[in-house]
Amino acid sequence: AQKITQTQPGMFVQEKEAVTLDCTYDTSDQSYGLFWYKQPSSGEMIFLIYQGSYDEQNATEGRYSLNFQKARKSANLVISASQLGDSAMYFCALQGGAQKLVFGQGTRLTINP
Amino acid sequence: NAGVTQTPKFQVLKTGQSMTLQCAQDMNHNSMYWYRQDPGMGLRLIYYSASEGTTDKGEVPNGYNVSRLNKREFSLRLESAAPSQTSVYFCASRERVNLQGAGELFFGEGSRLTVL
Repeated sequence: AQKITQTQPGMFVQEKEAVTLDCTYDTSDQSYGLFWYKQPSSGEMIFLIYQGSYDEQNATEGRYSLNFQKARKSANLVISASQLGDSAMYFCALQGGAQKLVFGQGTRLTINP
Repeated sequence: NAGVTQTPKFQVLKTGQSMTLQCAQDMNHNSMYWYRQDPGMGLRLIYYSASEGTTDKGEVPNGYNVSRLNKREFSLRLESAAPSQTSVYFCASRERVNLQGAGELFFGEGSRLTVL
């Protein structure tokens, strides 16, 4: 079974600060992938970053990085130098070997000026 | 580039009515998915199709049926709608990856369904 958990329903951060969004997962698959998506108030889903379970380096995409701790089964998203436009819902997702892809409950991030 | 197209965008149903949500992708993706999004619940997987000709249950399949009509199209049917099925429905597609590889999920714009 696959399970993914985001324990922070909401977070408030000052502009320009770094922010870490938590994500823990559970899977019996040896090969799996972890995704982060952003959903602004307009509703579209925007892909941010991906980490494969065999990737030795933490994934980075611009201001986004994924802090992957395999032994702890965590895949936290780090946003450096936050901007007002980062205010949105953020979802972590787990893809297992059978192409099943499940999402967490999401974290609503608010960036304050 | 159309990407993933869902129809209809909005629908209001009465309890007990049936309807089908249509989804089509033009990216030649193998895998397609249906999710529902409810406040505080995130996106929950209803059904998915790993490849043409196959469908599998997700986390919340009860009350729904799906058809993978061909590689492009994946429809979601509500046979007898209930108020608990009021939600925003998202269709998504991705290239099938066997081991490692991003296989980014591409989403449609969503369909807002209200069941009275």
